[in-house]
Amino acid sequence: EVQLIESGGGLVQPGGSLRLSCAASGFTFSRFAMYWVRQAPGKGLEYVSAIGSNEYNIYYANSVKGRFTISRDNSKNTLFLQMGSLRPEDMAVYYCARDVYSSGWLDYWGQGTLVTVSS
Amino acid sequence: EIVMTQSPATLSVSPGERATLSCRTSQSISSNLAWYQQKPGQAPRLLIYGASTRATDVPARFSGSGSGTEFTLTISSLQSEDFAVYYCQQYKTWPPAVTFGPGTKVDIK
Repeated sequence: EVQLIESGGGLVQPGGSLRLSCAASGFTFSRFAMYWVRQAPGKGLEYVSAIGSNEYNIYYANSVKGRFTISRDNSKNTLFLQMGSLRPEDMAVYYCARDVYSSGWLDYWGQGTLVTVSS
Repeated sequence: EIVMTQSPATLSVSPGERATLSCRTSQSISSNLAWYQQKPGQAPRLLIYGASTRATDVPARFSGSGSGTEFTLTISSLQSEDFAVYYCQQYKTWPPAVTFGPGTKVDIK
C-alpha cells in the first residue's frame, strides 16, 4: 500500500524557517518524481515545488522561488521542503504527492501537515 | 501562464441526479488535464488523467471528456459519497509547473 506521511508543520513567526518531511512507503521511492502542493485555509490547491526521481530536476512556483528548497533522500525514502523567510500567505496545509510518470498528474497524496505563520 | 476557470463555483444536486462540471483553460492544453476530488479534511484524490482516463478504483459513474481548452467531468448518478470539491489541473506546462483550477463544490440539493 502506497503511503505518504508528512510531518514538521507547526507555528512559526513571519520571517522564520521550517522544514517539512514526507516519509514514503509501499513503492520504490527513488523511481518517482515528488511534489509539494499547498492549500491555504478555505482555499484551493496551489503547486509549490517538485523534484525528479534523480534529484537533479528541481522546480519551484514563482511564489516560493528563492525562499523554499526541495530535496529528497532516496536512501531514506523521504522528501523534504525547507521553507525560509516565511510569510503569512505561506500559511497552509502542505501535501506531498507522487507523480507516477513524471507527467504532471499526481496519483497519491499524503494527508498533509499544517503550517501556521503568525506572530 | 495558463489561467484556469471552473464553473459553476457551486453545484447543488440531488442524490441520483447527473452532475456536469466544467473546466476551461486560457490556451490549448491538448488532453493534459486531470481531475481530483477532495472531501472536507481529506487529501485530494485523483479521479481522471489524460482528460478522460479513470484512475485506479474510480467508479465508472465518473467520466471525463474534452480537449484543447474545454473539459467536462460528469458524474452520472450522484451518490452520497460524491459530495465534495472537484479540482481540475493542467499539466501541459510541466515541467516546470502545473496549475490547478479554483474548484467546484458539489453539494446536496
